[in-house]
Amino acid sequence: QSVLTQPPSVSGAPGQVVTISCTGSGSNIGAGYDVHWYQQLPGTAPKLLLYGNMDRPSGVPERFYGSQSGTSASLHISGLQVEDEADYYCQSYDRTLSGAVFGGGTKLTVL
Amino acid sequence: EVQLLESAGGLVQPGGSLRLSCAASGFNFNVYAMTWVRQAPGKGLEWVSTINNGGGITYYADSVKGRFTISRDNSKNTLYLQMSSLRAEDTAVYYCAKSFTIFNAMDVWGQGTTVTVS
Repeated sequence: QSVLTQPPSVSGAPGQVVTISCTGSGSNIGAGYDVHWYQQLPGTAPKLLLYGNMDRPSGVPERFYGSQSGTSASLHISGLQVEDEADYYCQSYDRTLSGAVFGGGTKLTVL
Repeated sequence: EVQLLESAGGLVQPGGSLRLSCAASGFNFNVYAMTWVRQAPGKGLEWVSTINNGGGITYYADSVKGRFTISRDNSKNTLYLQMSSLRAEDTAVYYCAKSFTIFNAMDVWGQGTTVTVS
């Protein structure tokens, strides 16, 4: 049972918009700690996709963007592409656990 | 090029020990916090341990506390994870990652190394 809750899977057709949610609590996201998002392509190491809720590292396309409200955060992917098929993880800090916490991961399928 | 390279993992018997290392290059290692994250087969990411840039502050997940020790040698640009009293549930791919400060976003990851406890 992950501290941050993500849907196990989402899907969309090429060109569409998909949203992946990440629900936490008052000891992590709700306490104001930043949410970061990672993309893990099959068989590879995770890659930082968004940091500080909505900022993109250099090289990440603008069609990946984030939002945060209350105890939840979301990753939005617009103009869906086949190469976006991957697992996506949210991550934050939890003050009760005094450590980093990850969501359980969401598998994105591009139909 | 910024790079993190984990040492080879291996097969260890339950109750055994293993030390992982992570060699850093392409950046000022002593400026950044470092973290170990693991991923059990077919499962999600799990935070294991974090150390500050100077090495004097460490944090551990409850699942490894008292059994794993994180450390670093800034003169060698290397991060370590000493694992002892290993259990079957420690079987995973172990990744090292860097972040600007403790518990900030992990912006560079190693390729991962497999540890099997059996």
